[in-house]
Amino acid sequence: DQQVKQNSPSLSVQEGRISILNCDYTNSMFDYFLWYKKYPAEGPTFLISISSIKDKNEDGRFTVFLNKSAKHLSLHIVPSQPGDSAVYFCAASAHNQGGKLIFGQGTELSVKP
Amino acid sequence: EAGVTQSPTHLIKTRGQQATLRCSPISGHTSVYWYQQALGLGLQFLLWYDEGEERNRGNFPPRFSGRQFPNYSSELNVNALELEDSALYLCASSFNDQETQYFGPGTRLLVL
Repeated sequence: DQQVKQNSPSLSVQEGRISILNCDYTNSMFDYFLWYKKYPAEGPTFLISISSIKDKNEDGRFTVFLNKSAKHLSLHIVPSQPGDSAVYFCAASAHNQGGKLIFGQGTELSVKP
Repeated sequence: EAGVTQSPTHLIKTRGQQATLRCSPISGHTSVYWYQQALGLGLQFLLWYDEGEERNRGNFPPRFSGRQFPNYSSELNVNALELEDSALYLCASSFNDQETQYFGPGTRLLVL
């Protein structure tokens, strides 16, 4: 039972363009969502988060959108840079899940110069 | 400010042995979490410690255990190692279970 899904294993984008990474979830109890960036053999780096009471959160080039009715969130990176190339994980948590983050399988983003 | 630190970076063990992995949280963080990322799989929640107590555990057998010390650092112990325990083990910390979790660089465990 995969509660958080990232259906695109990979995404290739041209430098300067927008990257859109998508994530779907099934558990309506999730109330906090996060995006992490990960390089091989390193730990995930926190990028941006959003609470379920909001539908958008922005931090510099990164914007996360939450559509609760569709149980869908997306991460927009504008403009994309070659240094953004990494695996991006979305994660979700719920108050009653005892600190546990549920992660998607990840999307590998490649930004080409 | 120092981030989450983990040791060792790499660990090689043979089947049946025990492994001990260590984690130091960000200063001021009292919650420590452990996750496993096996090859080709996503990050799976293992354990959550807060204020020295185990608060939650994921769907892993009892041979995965740990503890949290008074300085909030933590150990993860894996007994009776099996080949499928080979994975990247990640530690994360946060102020509490409602706050963002920040991850360390991980310990790569190889079981031969």
